[in-house]
Amino acid sequence: DAMVIQNPRYQVTQFGKPVTLSCSQTLNHNVMYWYQQKSSQAPKLLFHYYDKDFNNEADTPDNFQSRRPNTSFCFLDIRSPGLGDTAMYLCATSGDRLNSNQPQHFGDGTRLSIL
Amino acid sequence: GDSVTQMEGPVTLSEEAFLTINCTYTATGYPSLFWYVQYPGEGLQLLLKATKADDKGSNKGFEATYRKETTSFHLEKGSVQVSDSAVYFCVTYSKAAGNKLTFGGGTRVLVKP
Repeated sequence: DAMVIQNPRYQVTQFGKPVTLSCSQTLNHNVMYWYQQKSSQAPKLLFHYYDKDFNNEADTPDNFQSRRPNTSFCFLDIRSPGLGDTAMYLCATSGDRLNSNQPQHFGDGTRLSIL
Repeated sequence: GDSVTQMEGPVTLSEEAFLTINCTYTATGYPSLFWYVQYPGEGLQLLLKATKADDKGSNKGFEATYRKETTSFHLEKGSVQVSDSAVYFCVTYSKAAGNKLTFGGGTRVLVKP
C-alpha cells in the first residue's frame, strides 16, 4: 500500500496560473520534504517541514511556497509558474531528520507541465 | 558541503550480465550511504543502505559496501534482469551537510533481453 501519496500524478497548467500540488502520508512521520526533479537530473530540495517548523532552502524561488495544515498533509503552491518550472515534483517523508539511519520515503511524484 | 560522484550513463547491458555502478563521495564527518532507484515515471525507492564503515547493504540481489578508506559505495548485481532497467542514485546523508540528502547525478541502466 502506498504510504506517501501525491496528487495529481500529472498536472498541466498555463504560464502564470497558480497551481497546488498535494502530498499525504500514512506513516505519521515528523518530517515532510518537497523536491524538484528536472529531466535527467537528480532531485533538488526546495524546502521541508519538521513538524510545523518550515525550513526553506536558500536558492528556492520566492514563488514556491508550502503549507502543512496537519501531520498527514503537505502542499506545494507555485504562485506564478514559469516555463522553467516544468518538472517532476517529489514529496518525501522521514521519521526524524536528525537520525541519519532513517531513510526518506518518496511518493511517486507529480509531473507538472507549464504551457 | 558533501558531494557525490557516480559514473555517468547510460549503462546498457544484456540480461544476466554483471552490473557495477561506481560511486565516490566527499563528506565532512561520517555520512550514512544509500542507493535509491527510480523506475520510469515513478518516485524514488530506497534500494539499500549502510551506516558505518564496512557495512554491506543488500536487497533484491544488489549489494554495496561502505568503504571509508576509499570513500566509495559501489553498487553491484551479479545477474541483471530487464526489470532492473531504471535510474540509480547514490546518496549521502549527514548532520554536517545540514541533515539533508546529497545526491549523485544518477546512472541510467538499460537491460536488454
